[in-house]
Amino acid sequence: ETGVTQSPTHLIKTRGQQVTLRCSSQSGHNTVSWYQQALGQGPQFIFQYYREEENGRGNFPPRFSGLQFPNYSSELNVNALELDDSALYLCASSQAGQGVSYEQYFGPGTRLTVT
Amino acid sequence: RKEVEQDPGPFNVPEGATVAFNCTYSNSASQSFFWYRQDCRKEPKLLMSVYSSGNEDGRFTAQLNRASQYISLLIRDSKLSDSATYLCAAVPPWSNSGYALNFGKGTSLLVTP
Repeated sequence: ETGVTQSPTHLIKTRGQQVTLRCSSQSGHNTVSWYQQALGQGPQFIFQYYREEENGRGNFPPRFSGLQFPNYSSELNVNALELDDSALYLCASSQAGQGVSYEQYFGPGTRLTVT
Repeated sequence: RKEVEQDPGPFNVPEGATVAFNCTYSNSASQSFFWYRQDCRKEPKLLMSVYSSGNEDGRFTAQLNRASQYISLLIRDSKLSDSATYLCAAVPPWSNSGYALNFGKGTSLLVTP
């Protein structure tokens, strides 16, 4: 087990609603990255948080936003849900800094269905 | 063109066989590479990290060819439990994407009795 936890495990929302997903990073890790994985695809990078600030962002619209807290846990918020947002949302924990390996360890994911 | 590309397979091999997957990447300055294993409807699990020419862990060997910009994963003596999707990931130089992992779509492996 990686020690990375996510909640909830499953969620069903309707188009136009908002959703908040949560992630607790592995002990000793200071960086959280979020990925979206559609069926049959590899995970797509959404954004990354390091020391409570957004450290990088992939090609996702502003209605995808996030937070990182002092204990390094993180939230992903998605506003105005669209049908195409249905996917597995993965949180990955890592330790950033000089000389580190950039290995990322994934939580079990939240499966979001938008109807 | 996607930054990381993999043959989706499926690769169907008998138990005990040796199987190899290739993964190509487009950013020649990419610095770190990873192989993840993903079981159906589960999260990716880190299998191997590749920072220099290669890495070996038991039945698994990963090799990096920077000149041709590909990474390979070799699985020897395949077990039924090796059946999964294998994801290749590359870390490009730091940019406004931070230290994002760029994943391929994955290669599906089915090991049969």
